[in-house]
Amino acid sequence: AQSVTQPDIHITVSEGASLELRCNYSYGATPYLFWYVQSPGQGLQLLLKYFSGDTLVQGIKGFEAEFKRSQSSFNLRKPSVHWSDAAEYFCAVAPHSGGYQKVTFGTGTKLQVIP
Amino acid sequence: EPEVTQTPSHQVTQMGQEVILRCVPISNHLYFYWYRQILGQKVEFLVSFYNNEISEKSEIFDDQFSVERPDGSNFTLKIRSTKLEDSAMYFCAGTGQGVFGTNEKLFFGSGTQLSVL
Repeated sequence: AQSVTQPDIHITVSEGASLELRCNYSYGATPYLFWYVQSPGQGLQLLLKYFSGDTLVQGIKGFEAEFKRSQSSFNLRKPSVHWSDAAEYFCAVAPHSGGYQKVTFGTGTKLQVIP
Repeated sequence: EPEVTQTPSHQVTQMGQEVILRCVPISNHLYFYWYRQILGQKVEFLVSFYNNEISEKSEIFDDQFSVERPDGSNFTLKIRSTKLEDSAMYFCAGTGQGVFGTNEKLFFGSGTQLSVL
């Protein structure tokens, strides 16, 4: 069965600093990979996804993620964090067949941004 | 960007009571989902719905749960007799396609926080 681990429950960064949120997955083959963000009072919003091809994926709001097969990782990065990035971030994995009912989410990483 | 609307945002109920969580999906979506997140745990899939019937459900979605799309607009999740462990944030979601695609994505509502006392 597939699984996702987000080892950091809570991260605090200063505004303007760089950010990396970790995500490791367990799956027998190359899965589909996603990062979602949940701002307070809002639903989950897709930041980016990896299906195939270039392992460095660009997303919305200046985020990017890199798929590293050898490390079973899909870490999310942003070079300069803005206060509005404070939110909860979820990594998710899914097999290539089956649709969204087969998506497994991580437990999330809460990002706090300090001035 | 179009939005999925969920009401209410918070619902408090007594154990054993019935609750109905409501969702208005995006109008041109065809596939609908309910997920839940118990505090501190993962977002979990509950059920998927297409063409007016359940297409798949998880182990969590037992006989106490039901879904319907009564009027082609609203998409509801009913819990017949709530238990303490049903306390969670419930998310409705929808998409135009039932499979992953480069140009499609899952749209989530902002959730209903259900507290069972």
